[in-house]
Amino acid sequence: AQKVTQAQTEISVVEKEDVTLDCVYETRDTTYYLFWYKQPPSGELVFLIRRNSFDEQNEISGRYSWNFQKSTSSFNFTITASQVVDSAVYFCALNSGGYQKVTFGTGTKLQVIP
Amino acid sequence: DAGVIQSPRHEVTEMGQEVTLRCKPISGHNSLFWYRQTMMRGLELLIYFNNNVPIDDSGMPEDRFSAKMPNASFSTLKIQPSEPRDSAVYFCASSLEVRGRGETQYFGPGTRLLVL
Repeated sequence: AQKVTQAQTEISVVEKEDVTLDCVYETRDTTYYLFWYKQPPSGELVFLIRRNSFDEQNEISGRYSWNFQKSTSSFNFTITASQVVDSAVYFCALNSGGYQKVTFGTGTKLQVIP
Repeated sequence: DAGVIQSPRHEVTEMGQEVTLRCKPISGHNSLFWYRQTMMRGLELLIYFNNNVPIDDSGMPEDRFSAKMPNASFSTLKIQPSEPRDSAVYFCASSLEVRGRGETQYFGPGTRLLVL
């Protein structure tokens, strides 16, 4: 069985602050894939990143960075110098077991206040 | 390149009516997924097709729901008869599946369904 926990339901930050969204996952498989998606107020789901279980290197893309730690089963997402356009619901997701079914977390709603 | 296309974007119908949601996956993708999103239950996978064949429909709520994929570029999700509790956003997603590689799913804009 696979499970994704996003304990933070809602977070509010002031513009330009840094913010970290937590994601903890559970799987018994040694090969698995982790994802982050963004759902802005307009409603679409936008893919942000995919990582496999064999690559623990942190990744940075502009103001976005991801910290993957197998030891704690976490795949956290940090936004540096947040902007109002970052306001959205962010979903962490897990795929494991060689099957295409993806388990989504419950999402973290981020509000960036100007 | 065109992303996943869904129609209609919004649908308002009355209880008991038939509803048909449509999806065109990204060209070249071989897997297609239907999801439902509600505040109470979050994102739920309803059904998953690979190469036009339904692989897992365990998420389909009940017999009122049916899905088809007659070819690689088109899928439908039908609800008959519709009920108010079916009100939700329905997403279609597609991916290029390479066995066991957990490929990225790309989502369409969703269909917002309201059953009165």
